[in-house]
Formats: sequence, C-alpha cells, structure tokens
Amino acid sequence: GAGVSQSPSNKVTEKGKDVELRCDPISGHTALYWYRQSLGQGLEFLIYFQGNSAPDKSGLPSDRFSAERTGGSVSTLTIQRTQQEDSAVYLCASSEDSYFYGYTFGSGTRLTVV
Amino acid sequence: RKEVEQDPGPFNVPEGATVAFNCTYSNSASQSFFWYRQDCRKEPKLLMSVYSSGNEDGRFTAQLNRASQYISLLIRDSKLSDSATYLCVVPYGGSQGNLIFGKGTKLSVKP
Repeated sequence: GAGVSQSPSNKVTEKGKDVELRCDPISGHTALYWYRQSLGQGLEFLIYFQGNSAPDKSGLPSDRFSAERTGGSVSTLTIQRTQQEDSAVYLCASSEDSYFYGYTFGSGTRLTVV
Repeated sequence: RKEVEQDPGPFNVPEGATVAFNCTYSNSASQSFFWYRQDCRKEPKLLMSVYSSGNEDGRFTAQLNRASQYISLLIRDSKLSDSATYLCVVPYGGSQGNLIFGKGTKLSVKP
C-alpha cells in the first residue's frame, strides 16, 4: 500500500478483555515496529521485527503483551486481560531495512480500556 | 545522561520569528539522527534526517555536533502551520534497528 495501515483506528474495551491491533506495513519494508504513546507522553518502544530474524521484544511491558508478524508483512499486537493503564495510542511504523532512513508511521490505534 | 533529552517548551513565538531547539543524546556511536514533527492527535512524521554535520531544507536547518553530542533544529520565518511538537530521534545503542524518541518540544506560532 501507499502507507502504513492500522486497524481499528479506535477501540474501546472492557477491563479484562483481550484486544488485537493490526498493522499492514508499506510494501517491501522489511522492518516493522510497534510503539505506544500515552496521553501527553513520549513514544515508548514495544517490539521490533526485522525480516526473518527473532523479534526484539525488549520493550514489551508485561507478558500480557505479545506480537507476531506473518509472512514478513502484516503484524498483530495482542494485549491480554487489558488494564486501564494500557489505554494509549498504539503506533506501528515500518522502514526499508533498519532505522537508517527513518520510519514511516501509521495513524495509530487509540485504545481505551474502561 | 538520558538517551535523548529535549527542552519540552512550550516555545511561543510570533509569525516570522526564528526559533531553535536543541537535543542532547548519550549514545556516542549514533550515526544517523532525525527530527520528526507531531501534530496534536496525529502520528509523528519525518521532518529531516541528519547523517553528517547538518542538513538544510528550505526554512529548516538541522545541525549535528558530535563532540558535544547534541543536534539542533532551526526554523526561520516561522509560519502558523509550524505549530506542532518536534521530536528529536536517535538510534538506540542496544539494538540495530530501534530508534529512541525524545519527549518533544512544543512550538506555538502566534499571529
């Protein structure tokens, strides 16, 4: 596609429910990243995929968070047993290879846990 | 020193003013740097890349000082549309592909 596509754009869920967030990167981009941004805060790194290499999961805040990337393209971020502190904008980005040329972000998924 | 530090602002300037933001970083091995712009409730968008001593694009100039480990962004002839948060971005030393984003400097250009 022309840009990074994320869905849904907004998600309201009840505390304790599981949610899945989807990211479709720019075609041909081998690197894919997930960040989250809480209200008024900076971007927090979550996870990074590069080609067929093992993902860098060092930013995942707890074992309730997981992500996968199928076929080197679409990625899904799953949050199990959501908590109110999980409320944030979840941003996906992709890049051609690594960080060298910067990232292109999707418009994000705004997650609200009530 | 934190990995990336920026003055949060806000910087309130009149139209036509020149404004500069500084950013310091701790990873001395960093080779590429970026400035992103983020509008309210929008995703960050790449504004400028800096690979050597600096880069210029129209009214925007980014400069890199490796010895002092800081980068700056200069905006000349500010426009109302320049109002946004500007994010300083550097590579994370612990991962090949990961960028660290500063918390941003908020700019408000007034008529």
